[in-house]
Amino acid sequence: DAGVTQSPTHLIKTRGQQVTLRCSPKSGHDTVSWYQQALGQGPQFIFQYYEEEERQRGNFPDRFSGHQFPNYSSELNVNALLLGDSALYLCASGEQMTYGYTFGSGTRLTVV
Amino acid sequence: AQKVTQAQTEISVVEKEDVTLDCVYETRDTTYYLFWYKQPPSGELVFLIRRNSFDEQNEISGRYSWNFQKSTSSFNFTITASQVVDSAVYFCALSEAISSGSARQLTFGSGTQLTVLP
Repeated sequence: DAGVTQSPTHLIKTRGQQVTLRCSPKSGHDTVSWYQQALGQGPQFIFQYYEEEERQRGNFPDRFSGHQFPNYSSELNVNALLLGDSALYLCASGEQMTYGYTFGSGTRLTVV
Repeated sequence: AQKVTQAQTEISVVEKEDVTLDCVYETRDTTYYLFWYKQPPSGELVFLIRRNSFDEQNEISGRYSWNFQKSTSSFNFTITASQVVDSAVYFCALSEAISSGSARQLTFGSGTQLTVLP
């Protein structure tokens, strides 16, 4: 049984560009959350998707947007990349009304 | 607003020593959940334990044990007889109780880097 799968694993982008990160949740999970983890810090909540809608959002600008597809997979889009967007982006999946979060290994984004 | 504080940035111990990782939290909710996660160099967050605010019993799982004290808003994690494989970053996290049909976000501490030397 595959866990949470994220792609790509590493990515290098230029400041000002746009990036799309992808996440496939664990089988049976219907909720996907995205977190940003800067070097040496704890993960920060970006947003959560359930039933293809954004349900909660953390303190991130509108440059960060997402999408959830009917098969529960999700994308995180970041526009107008800044150097400060360099981080590990983690996807977590779970089931609504439960606390069983499963995390993927993340996508390491470097903005140069 | 919720907040999790892990004051210990780095801890280094010699194998077989016991080590305790501290976690202090702040929340205005009466019902909440506390978590510990382990993050090895691969980056994946590995779930260790979840505890709700109404259950203050200490828990032991093998070499791991957790001490939840509501009176001091602390949820400390102890590894007994540490091993080199325990080397990782450990995060404490807090979540509000589920409401309105939506699982709540996790608020993480800044993590403690544990290094176990052979």
